[in-house]
Amino acid sequence: AQSVTQLDSHVSVSEGTPVLLRCNYSSSYSPSLFWYVQHPNKGLQLLLKYTSAATLVKGINGFEAEFKKSETSFHLTKPSAHMSDAAEYFCVVSDLRAGGFKTIFGAGTRLFVKA
Amino acid sequence: EPEVTQTPSHQVTQMGQEVILRCVPISNHLYFYWYRQILGQKVEFLVSFYNNEISEKSEIFDDQFSVERPDGSNFTLKIRSTKLEDSAMYFCASKGDSVNSPLHFGNGTRLTVT
Repeated sequence: AQSVTQLDSHVSVSEGTPVLLRCNYSSSYSPSLFWYVQHPNKGLQLLLKYTSAATLVKGINGFEAEFKKSETSFHLTKPSAHMSDAAEYFCVVSDLRAGGFKTIFGAGTRLFVKA
Repeated sequence: EPEVTQTPSHQVTQMGQEVILRCVPISNHLYFYWYRQILGQKVEFLVSFYNNEISEKSEIFDDQFSVERPDGSNFTLKIRSTKLEDSAMYFCASKGDSVNSPLHFGNGTRLTVT
């Protein structure tokens, strides 16, 4: 079965402090994992993707994610939050099965950044 | 960089009317998707399309919904008789044929059913 769980619906941090957005997944196949960001009234932008080449993945805007197979996790981090990081973040899992790719979204984590 | 484009950006329609949401995927992509996001809620999978047929659909994608690729460039979502609860943002996405290629999303069409 395929699923993705974002453990926090809301995360609030102060500007300049680290960000941690948690994601756990399950898949019967070898999945690809992605993080997308959605700013208010905007579309979905790809932040980064895990492609099995390296477990630590660097994305745009200083974000990183580490794939941990033993923990089935793909948490998103950033060392220092910026006000412009306030947005909704989605962890996404995609795997290839008979009939094509299936891609599902986590429920999302809304990140608040306080001045 | 190639983009997925969606038109219109906002569609207002009366309950019971038919609407067609249009998408132009990235030209060399082979997999196409529609997702829906009701205001304030999660992004929900509706349907995937490959090789000119539906490869998977969710429970949301009932008989009121249909998809079509009428020519080599467009990918449309039709809702035959809209309901109030169809009001949402609808995102089109396309994907290359590698397992590692991400979904590329359009900016969405906000559908408002009155």
